Amino acid sequence: AQKITQTQPGMFVQEKEAVTLDCTYDTSDPSYGLFWYKQPSSGEMIFLIYQGSYDQQNATEGRYSLNFQKARKSANLVISASQLGDSAMYFCARLQYNQGGKLIFGQGTELSVKP
Amino acid sequence: EAGVAQSPRYKIIEKRQSVAFWCNPISGHATLYWYQQILGQGPKLLIQFQNNGVVDDSQLPKDRFSAERLKGVDSTLKIQPAKLEDSAVYLCASSPRLGMQETQYFGPGTRLLVL
Repeated sequence: AQKITQTQPGMFVQEKEAVTLDCTYDTSDPSYGLFWYKQPSSGEMIFLIYQGSYDQQNATEGRYSLNFQKARKSANLVISASQLGDSAMYFCARLQYNQGGKLIFGQGTELSVKP
Repeated sequence: EAGVAQSPRYKIIEKRQSVAFWCNPISGHATLYWYQQILGQGPKLLIQFQNNGVVDDSQLPKDRFSAERLKGVDSTLKIQPAKLEDSAVYLCASSPRLGMQETQYFGPGTRLLVL
């Protein structure tokens, strides 16, 4: 099975510090997309950032950046200057396009930001 | 722009009863997805529609689950009869079209508890 692996069930970070959430994926597809979503306790999945497999540069969106290492099949999310509102579950997902475009999700990492 | 709408937000039923969930995607989005998220796991795709046609329903338990998107806009997911293991959050998502870079936008979800 082409899996997404998030090895950190829970992470703590001090407010205003940076934190890296790990994600590795398994695929034989030459072309794919990688996504990160945030899920607060309210339950909604909020899109954060996208990285295409052929993108030359790492994606950035405000305080979020993606450390994409294609050869290692890793797509780690970096959150700079953590805020209390960043406390949530974070999911890494890969778009499996050859089956209609479904997202394959990892197990998630629960991030807690301490004041 | 209005987001993905879902109702109800919460539902509690007895096992063997039936239940239905409703989703209205973002206006103009051709692709609609239903995901099931069991507690402690990432979401898993149940069914995907492109307009009113099914693209992927390979993981839908068809003996008890059904879904439709009759006019290519809103969609209904039904469970009949429900089992205890159906307790989960049911997330609806939409995207403008199929494609490698198409972000899926999620609704708030319906939390189902089967007793």
